[in-house]
Amino acid sequence: DGGITQSPKYLFRKEGQNVTLSCEQNLNHDAMYWYRQDPGQGLRLIYYSQIVNDFQKGDIAEGYSVSREKKESFPLTVTSAQKNPTAFYLCASSIETAYSNQPQHFGDGTRLSIL
Amino acid sequence: AQTVTQSQPEMSVQEAETVTLSCTYDTSESDYYLFWYKQPPSRQMILVIRQEAYKQQNATENRFSVNFQKAAKSFSLKISDSQLGDAAMYFCAYRSLTEYGNKLVFGAGTILRVKS
Repeated sequence: DGGITQSPKYLFRKEGQNVTLSCEQNLNHDAMYWYRQDPGQGLRLIYYSQIVNDFQKGDIAEGYSVSREKKESFPLTVTSAQKNPTAFYLCASSIETAYSNQPQHFGDGTRLSIL
Repeated sequence: AQTVTQSQPEMSVQEAETVTLSCTYDTSESDYYLFWYKQPPSRQMILVIRQEAYKQQNATENRFSVNFQKAAKSFSLKISDSQLGDAAMYFCAYRSLTEYGNKLVFGAGTILRVKS
């Protein structure tokens, strides 16, 4: 079945440590996105990528980094510069065409906590 | 920049009854898409319904329908014959057709509780 796979489901970070969240999709979508979800708030965009080897900062990119070396993969690294990383992280993908009404498809998320 | 506001942090509905969730948005654009997503306790985001701004007809998907008022910038979701499985967080989202990236702007969400 086509879909988006995020791993791990739960992740713990020590102080000063970088951690990487995985996101893989087999939907043949060009565009991929990373969102952060905090309690009582909606999803906020961290980074997005419309094509391979290109990505753009979203609204809350500070303390995060991404890469897009393959169409299927869009890993997110939470660096030690992100002082409040505890949150639920969602990866999504979509058809790239601007005038398509096709929605973003989401993975099951990764919950990141500080040890 | 566009903003999306969901003014109801929580709503409750009796099973088999009808409930309406509110969403308003702010934009200077004339063409865009609007979506409602459902997030059950499993945390997976599930598309409920979508609306193209150029369409005057309100979208309908089985028990789910929207009341799209473009001039008022309002996009409410009506759930008819509510079921226990409808209990979830509901997010309204806006997508620009002019900004690069097909990004979604989300509201803060409304928790819907369904009473049996």
